[in-house]
Amino acid sequence: AQSVSQHNHHVILSEAASLELGCNYSYGGTVNLFWYVQYPGQHLQLLLKYFSGDPLVKGIKGFEAEFIKSKFSFNLRKPSVQWSDTAEYFCAVNAPNAGKSTFGDGTTLTVKP
Amino acid sequence: DGGITQSPKYLFRKEGQNVTLSCEQNLNHDAMYWYRQDPGQGLRLIYYSQIVNDFQKGDIAEGYSVSREKKESFPLTVTSAQKNPTAFYLCASSGVLAGGETQYFGPGTRLLVL
Repeated sequence: AQSVSQHNHHVILSEAASLELGCNYSYGGTVNLFWYVQYPGQHLQLLLKYFSGDPLVKGIKGFEAEFIKSKFSFNLRKPSVQWSDTAEYFCAVNAPNAGKSTFGDGTTLTVKP
Repeated sequence: DGGITQSPKYLFRKEGQNVTLSCEQNLNHDAMYWYRQDPGQGLRLIYYSQIVNDFQKGDIAEGYSVSREKKESFPLTVTSAQKNPTAFYLCASSGVLAGGETQYFGPGTRLLVL
């Protein structure tokens, strides 16, 4: 069975600080990986995803994530956060044709102005 | 304007009552999903459907039921058998039930038990 672990439940940063949110998954085969974001009062939406190819993927608003297969990790990064990045971030994984995704518990990011 | 709509935004349930949450999509997506979101527990899958008239149990299906009579609609019923129904419920859809498809989410329904 798939499982996803997000290491931090709540992260507090000041503006311009660098961000890295950890995500590890357990599944032995080929996976598709996602980061979703839920801004206050808004729908959950896709931030970025990895299917294949270049393990460094870039998403919206300057976010990127790196897939490291040997570590079963898909950490999210941003070099300089803004107050508007305050949101809840979810990592998700599924196997191709699995029919369903497994989500992590989420990380709440608070950026202080 | 394409998207997923969920209604109502807030729903109150009395003990022993069944309630139905609505989910409609006009994205022409084949797959639809229901998740439950509790603080600190992320999204947990309740039910999902690949095509009309077919659906599968997710990780926490007990106390819930669904139907998929139309492609665009996937209502969720929270039955009286669900012991802890107070939660935020999210509906989602994706183009195909393949692993790589992005899921699109609705605004959610918050269910409160009185």
